[in-house]
Amino acid sequence: AQSVTQLDSQVPVFEEAPVELRCNYSSSVSVYLFWYVQYPNQGLQLLLKYLSGSTLVESINGFEAEFNKSQTSFHLRKPSVHISDTAEYFCAVIGFNDYKLSFGAGTTVTVRA
Amino acid sequence: KAGVTQTPRYLIKTRGQQVTLSCSPISGHRSVSWYQQTPGQGLQFLFEYFSETQRNKGNFPGRFSGRQFSNSRSEMNVSTLELGDSALYLCASSLGLPGGTDTQYFGPGTRLTVL
Repeated sequence: AQSVTQLDSQVPVFEEAPVELRCNYSSSVSVYLFWYVQYPNQGLQLLLKYLSGSTLVESINGFEAEFNKSQTSFHLRKPSVHISDTAEYFCAVIGFNDYKLSFGAGTTVTVRA
Repeated sequence: KAGVTQTPRYLIKTRGQQVTLSCSPISGHRSVSWYQQTPGQGLQFLFEYFSETQRNKGNFPGRFSGRQFSNSRSEMNVSTLELGDSALYLCASSLGLPGGTDTQYFGPGTRLTVL
């Protein structure tokens, strides 16, 4: 089975500042990696995913994440956040052995003016 | 294209009762997955249905069951409700491509409160 650890439960950040959300995973098999975002009172939305190829993946709204196999990490970054980025962010993994999506505990990002 | 819809959005039940939640996937999607979200356990995978068959299953007791209809709509049933079943239940639909590479689209969830 796979497991995901999100190292920060809460991340307060000022508008236009950079943010990094840390995610580490544990798996005995190869994995696909995902970041989902949950805005208040809404369902989850896929932000970006790593399946194969370039280890740096980007989303349409300025987020990027880098897959680091040796460190088993998939940290999410954004160079300049907006108030609208206030949300809960979930890192998730699918293992090649069971294809079940396993989520981390989530990181709440609060962007302040 | 309409998104994933879940009904009802809110539900209050008492211990021992049973409950049925419904999920309508995006048109053309054949896979529906269910998740339980609680403050203590986070997001946990319940099961996945594809073409009316359970294709994958998480580690939940048999009180949690589901089914999928020929139009891909899915229902989840929880029998003999316990206080710990209070949670947000999310369903997600996808094309159901093998290997887990396709994107899952989540509904807004059903908030179940067990008193």
